[in-house]
Amino acid sequence: DTAVSQTPKYLVTQMGNDKSIKCEQNLGHDTMYWYKQDSKKFLKIMFSYNNKELIINETVPNRFSPKSPDKAHLNLHINSLELGDSAVYFCASSQTAGVVFFGPGTRLTVL
Amino acid sequence: GESVGLHLPTLSVQEGDNSIINCAYSNSASDYFIWYKQESGKGPQFIIDIRSNMDKRQGQRVTVLLNKTVKHLSLQIAATQPGDSAVYFCAESKGAQKLVFGQGTRLTINP
Repeated sequence: DTAVSQTPKYLVTQMGNDKSIKCEQNLGHDTMYWYKQDSKKFLKIMFSYNNKELIINETVPNRFSPKSPDKAHLNLHINSLELGDSAVYFCASSQTAGVVFFGPGTRLTVL
Repeated sequence: GESVGLHLPTLSVQEGDNSIINCAYSNSASDYFIWYKQESGKGPQFIIDIRSNMDKRQGQRVTVLLNKTVKHLSLQIAATQPGDSAVYFCAESKGAQKLVFGQGTRLTINP
């Protein structure tokens, strides 16, 4: 299936830990994103990469570090997790100026 | 500033009726608008989009209307079915790169 996939689907961890979420798209898109959805369902962009180059960084704390090894992958590493980081994180991709397609989400719970 | 809002957070309709979900946006420079459907536990799914040079676009059972004069966007779903139950988001952007999402409307279908 052509899609945006991300792992893991659920992530439960203690405050202060470091964790990563992986994302892959096989749609041939050149732009990838990370979005965060809070408990009130509000969706907000965090990062955008175009051909492995960071183009949008929405004043996200530097504990969050995206890494794009190639244009089909965009991973998100989070250091020193805090309670407020609990949310659903969505990876997405698009062609430049095209429709944004979202992955299934990773529900992160910080205890 | 950028904000996209919705007139109603919840909407209940009878099965078979038409549904209309409304959205107000504030950035008059936005030139691209998109509707997503999000089912429980899943990522947002593309429904339909419209560019600012159009005022209406139709898809399968869905129509999006854009009124740039009053900065209003609506999604009409014809003959609403149980499978249409979800949270619906409108989003806007300039150039389709950085989507700004509204808060979402939960659509419930009554049998």
